[in-house]
Amino acid sequence: GIQVEQSPPDLILQEGANSTLRCNFSDSVNNLQWFHQNPWGQLINLFYIPSGTKQNGRLSATTVATERYSLLYISSSQTTDSGVYFCAERETSGSRLTFGEGTQLTVNP
Amino acid sequence: SAVISQKPSRDICQRGTSLTIQCQVDSQVTMMFWYRQQPGQSLTLIATANQGSEATYESGFVIDKFPISRPNLTFSTLTVSNMSPEDSSIYLCSVEGLSWSSYNEQFFGPGTRLTVL
Repeated sequence: GIQVEQSPPDLILQEGANSTLRCNFSDSVNNLQWFHQNPWGQLINLFYIPSGTKQNGRLSATTVATERYSLLYISSSQTTDSGVYFCAERETSGSRLTFGEGTQLTVNP
Repeated sequence: SAVISQKPSRDICQRGTSLTIQCQVDSQVTMMFWYRQQPGQSLTLIATANQGSEATYESGFVIDKFPISRPNLTFSTLTVSNMSPEDSSIYLCSVEGLSWSSYNEQFFGPGTRLTVL
């Protein structure tokens, strides 16, 4: 099956800083999603981005399907951005989402 | 946006007992799934809940341990049977095929946090 690798595993920022999270895939990108899991465990959809670039407020994402990676940019980070960020890719042969191990982000005031 | 609810939100259970988790969506969806997230880990798919037929289980998960029902297009249950402390996890349902969403985009319920003593 697909292998999904995320980096960095942990990231500590000061409020206001910018960051880039990366997701690499072992196979073709079909249905890439980025999620934020808040400290209460809720998984929140950030982007559905099989290719190209999307922006939503302070967050943006870029997927380069031909090179099998995706990037999530967080600008002017806030303490509420803390949590775990997951990328996930859907298997071409089924409906399973394969998740990366996540990036634990801590934003300090 | 759709509302996906799960009951219970959390529970503490004794080993050897069973717990049934419910997932309700406020609109019809084509696909429903159940995932497990063990402490400090990522999410792993348990099974796809098929309406009106047996669920499709992933490798390492069996029906006797995780029976699943999906009687209609908006509701599913997952039972964790004969629980042991190793079953302590967050269990999440997800849905796909919301009319207003991108094709194949999955959305998750709030999760059920299970602790087995």
